[in-house]
Amino acid sequence: AQSVTQLGSHVSVSEGALVLLRCNYSSSVPPYLFWYVQYPNQGLQLLLKYTSAATLVKGINGFEAEFKKSETSFHLTKPSAHMSDAAEYFCAVSARDDKIIFGKGTRLHILP
Amino acid sequence: GAVVSQHPSRVICKSGTSVKIECRSLDFQATTMFWYRQFPKQSLMLMATSNEGSKATYEQGVEKDKFLINHASLTLSTLTVTSAHPEDSSFYICSAREGVKVYEQYFGPGTRLTVT
Repeated sequence: AQSVTQLGSHVSVSEGALVLLRCNYSSSVPPYLFWYVQYPNQGLQLLLKYTSAATLVKGINGFEAEFKKSETSFHLTKPSAHMSDAAEYFCAVSARDDKIIFGKGTRLHILP
Repeated sequence: GAVVSQHPSRVICKSGTSVKIECRSLDFQATTMFWYRQFPKQSLMLMATSNEGSKATYEQGVEKDKFLINHASLTLSTLTVTSAHPEDSSFYICSAREGVKVYEQYFGPGTRLTVT
């Protein structure tokens, strides 16, 4: 079975500071991993995905994530936070051609 | 490309009535569609998976007689909440998969259901 654990239900960073959202996964097979963003009362937007190619994945809006098998992690980073980055972020895992399992989410707050 | 729409975006209905939510893939054919439910400040929980022309597969604990799913074409799936009650109030999100790869799944904007 697959699962993801997102560390920290709320994360606050100052505008311009580094954003780091943590995600650890569990999977019995090589996984696909995803980060999604959700703005209030909206659906999900895919930020980036890992599908077993490069371990460092670049996504939209300046976000990137690194797949570390030894640490079973897939943390999301952005060098410089912007006010528009304030949203809910979901890490997700899939056992390939199967369901997508979501983490509980991390709400990112940007401090002026 | 890869746009998924939902209608309506918000709906308020009285307890005991039924409400239908539509999910459409606008620019691709969806072999599989998924329905999720999201409670306030919580994650998405998969309710069911449907393939065009087949019966939906429901996740454990989801009442199939309450949440009727129809996937009549490759671009349209509907979720009908029957005899709705206040506890059914939630944010319902659909997604559509274009091919067989799980990462070819695209999400709709969601429907806010409020049962009074």
